[in-house]
Amino acid sequence: DAMVIQNPRYQVTQFGKPVTLSCSQTLNHNVMYWYQQKSSQAPKLLFHYYDKDFNNEADTPDNFQSRRPNTSFCFLDIRSPGLGDAAMYLCATSRDTRVYNEQFFGPGTRLTVL
Amino acid sequence: GENVGLHLPTLSVQEGDNSIINCAYSNSASDYFIWYKQESGKGPQFIIDIRSNMDKRQGQRVTVLLNKTVKHLSLQIAATQPGDSAVYFCAETLSGYSTLTFGKGTMLLVSP
Repeated sequence: DAMVIQNPRYQVTQFGKPVTLSCSQTLNHNVMYWYQQKSSQAPKLLFHYYDKDFNNEADTPDNFQSRRPNTSFCFLDIRSPGLGDAAMYLCATSRDTRVYNEQFFGPGTRLTVL
Repeated sequence: GENVGLHLPTLSVQEGDNSIINCAYSNSASDYFIWYKQESGKGPQFIIDIRSNMDKRQGQRVTVLLNKTVKHLSLQIAATQPGDSAVYFCAETLSGYSTLTFGKGTMLLVSP
């Protein structure tokens, strides 16, 4: 089945130690999104890629970076995780951004910062 | 750590009841409205969407109602089942875009 895959499902890191979360998709979608979801809150969009074009949300901290080396893979890099960055990180894909179309979400990576 | 001070609104129903989950959206220029279901430890799952030029759309056991006058969206689930227990989020998107803005979630608890 075509899907969005996130690895690892659970990640533990230390305060200030860089961490990378990964997402891959078999849907061949042009757009990949990263969301942060804290406990009992709605997902909050951090940034998205339309093909190789990176689109950052205005309020996304500089501590969060992303890479998309090819259509299938997208990475979220947290350069210096703080305690406040502990959250579920969700990856999603869609075919396009220029018109509305459904987003497909991965299962998420739960990040713990010690 | 995470902010654990927030609590989701919760709707508790009995199996077989009809459930209505409400959402107030923020942007009168939004073009599409979407309902997502999120089970514990999983990513959001698409349920149904509606465009702003409609006021009602039906799916399998679900109906979405849109009232643009008061910027209100609702999701009706018929004959609620224990498997419907989850957090439900509404989301909105502007015309010409697929980036989503999520509203506050509602937890639905279904008792057998």
